[in-house]
Formats: sequence, structure tokens, C-alpha cells
Amino acid sequence: TQLLEQSPQFLSIQEGENLTVYCNSSSVFSSLQWYRQEPGEGPVLLVTVVTGGEVKKLKRLTFQFGDARKDSSLHITAAQPGDTGLYLCAGVSGGYNKLIFGAGTRLAVHP
Amino acid sequence: EAQVTQNPRYLITVTGKKLTVTCSQNMNHEYMSWYRQDPGLGLRQIYYSMNVEVTDKGDVPEGYKVSRKEKRNFPLILESPSPNQTSLYFCASSLSIRWGQTNSPLHFGNGTRLTVT
Repeated sequence: TQLLEQSPQFLSIQEGENLTVYCNSSSVFSSLQWYRQEPGEGPVLLVTVVTGGEVKKLKRLTFQFGDARKDSSLHITAAQPGDTGLYLCAGVSGGYNKLIFGAGTRLAVHP
Repeated sequence: EAQVTQNPRYLITVTGKKLTVTCSQNMNHEYMSWYRQDPGLGLRQIYYSMNVEVTDKGDVPEGYKVSRKEKRNFPLILESPSPNQTSLYFCASSLSIRWGQTNSPLHFGNGTRLTVT
């Protein structure tokens, strides 16, 4: 069974701080996605990383896919209250064309 | 506006009373899927459909049924709901299952919060 573990589960920080959340597995994924979910809404795709070692930037968010394609990280610079939400990673299992979701990191950014 | 629409948003029912949660997408997507989201467990797939009249079990299909008679609709049916089906449910759709391609993201509805007493 392929599992994706996200850490930390919860993160509460002040506006302006930097943070990193992690998504780890013992399995290899053909690609990995990050979603953000706000209260009362469904997850929304932020980015897809495909190549081992790939780094993608989305304004203050930096996403990295591990060289071995087993892990990923999301770094937020100078967090803002608008970044508050649940961040989910999802691995694409190439053998089964299936998306496997982690349990998420719940981020709260306080003004 | 391109969207996935679920109804109802909130539902409180009693054990054993059949219910249906509707899901409709207006993007002509072939792939549709149902997930349940529980604290600490993330999103778990219940059923999915690759196209009209093609459905398959996900990771937690017990106690659920689905149908795909039209491309746009994918209802989730609970024939005899039980308290352990209390959860937040999401319907999602995508153009294809090639999620590694950036032009094929998974689009989610806004969820249905179900409580079974």
C-alpha cells in the first residue's frame, strides 16, 4: 500500500514568518501534486511536479520534488493570513494511474 | 463558469434512510470520482468513473453505490447509511487521468457534509 505522510500536521505562525511542509513516502511516484483547501471549499490544485529534483515557484511558494521522486516539500516565504488553509500533497502512482492523497498540513497564519 | 456542483451542502439523516448526493460537472470531463475526507485520514477514494457506464471501486467502496448514465452526472448513493459514514464528501472531475500533465487537474466540488445519527 502506497502512503504519503505529511508533516507537520498543524502549523500556527505569525504573518511574515517562513515555513516548510513536507510530504514523504517510501514509494516512487511518477509525479506529485500540491493542493490547497480553504474552509467550506474543495481542494484547488497549486502545482504539479514531474521530474526528480524539479523546483517550481508560485509567487511566495516554492515546491520541490525529491531526486528519487519519493518526497516533496512546500516552502512559503513571508507567510500571509491569506495562506491559511489545509495543504494536501497527492502522489500519482504511475502503475495504477491513481492519485494518493496525504492527510494534509493545516496552516494558520495570524496577523 | 467551469465547475463541479454538489448537492446538498449539508445533510443530516438517520441510520438506514436511503440518500443520494448529486454531482454535476459542466466541463465535459470523462473522469469523475467521489472521495470522503476524515480528520487525520485525508481524502480517500470511494468510487470513480472513467466514462459513461464505466465505474469502479476505490479504496473505501463499502456501503456506497454510484452510477454514470450521463457524462456530466455522477451521483453517490447510500442505500442504508450508518453513523460511520458521517464525513465530508467531495466529488471531483478531470479531463483525463494524466495528472502529471498540467492541463489535466482534478477539479473538486465544494463538498457535502453528511451526518448520520
